Amino acid sequence: DAGITQSPRHKVTETGTPVTLRCHQTENHRYMYWYRQDPGHGLRLIHYSYGVKDTDKGEVSDGYSVSRSKTEDFLLTLESATSSQTSVYFCATRQDGGYYGYTFGSGTRLTVV
Amino acid sequence: AQTVTQSQPEMSVQEAETVTLSCTYDTSESDYYLFWYKQPPSRQMILVIRQEAYKQQNATENRFSVNFQKAAKSFSLKISDSQLGDAAMYFCAYRGSGGGSNYKLTFGKGTLLTVNP
Repeated sequence: DAGITQSPRHKVTETGTPVTLRCHQTENHRYMYWYRQDPGHGLRLIHYSYGVKDTDKGEVSDGYSVSRSKTEDFLLTLESATSSQTSVYFCATRQDGGYYGYTFGSGTRLTVV
Repeated sequence: AQTVTQSQPEMSVQEAETVTLSCTYDTSESDYYLFWYKQPPSRQMILVIRQEAYKQQNATENRFSVNFQKAAKSFSLKISDSQLGDAAMYFCAYRGSGGGSNYKLTFGKGTLLTVNP
């Protein structure tokens, strides 16, 4: 979706290095989410944000941190990448209130070697 | 915590025939939303259909329809007149009611649908 850009699209990194994935939105949506997708597990929530500087943990948050200093950007950081963090990472956004759909990014494929 | 279960890791269907994908969920809430998403090889997440729990009528979108059984906590997706372009991974997802849940989506593990010509 043109409203969300994830960068990079692909990345290979070495074990123990820090990695930051970026999600940029032009939708002015309040809510932003980071998911990881692994075979046999579906999409699992890592962290989410419900406003600038307001973030909380999801079900698989260990080893990850996030930051949201402005509405349009939500960063996911792997402080010290491990092979278990090899995955496809999706960002999603949602507008506040009522029923509104979710907008998903195209995903970042991260390989930790 | 809510859980979503898709018991069929893989399904196959002949072109032009009908297939049903199963989804069950566990929740203590009375008001919520349910979704089916399609993920083709391009990785893009595409909303197929959604259902509001307070609505008794099953949602329909062209060839896609759901069988929503609230008491049984079941939400199956029926694809009629299957087409080759329907081949994809399908995810069932749950969202709790109101802002207190922060509108988080909980996904099942997915069902990989193959369409045979």
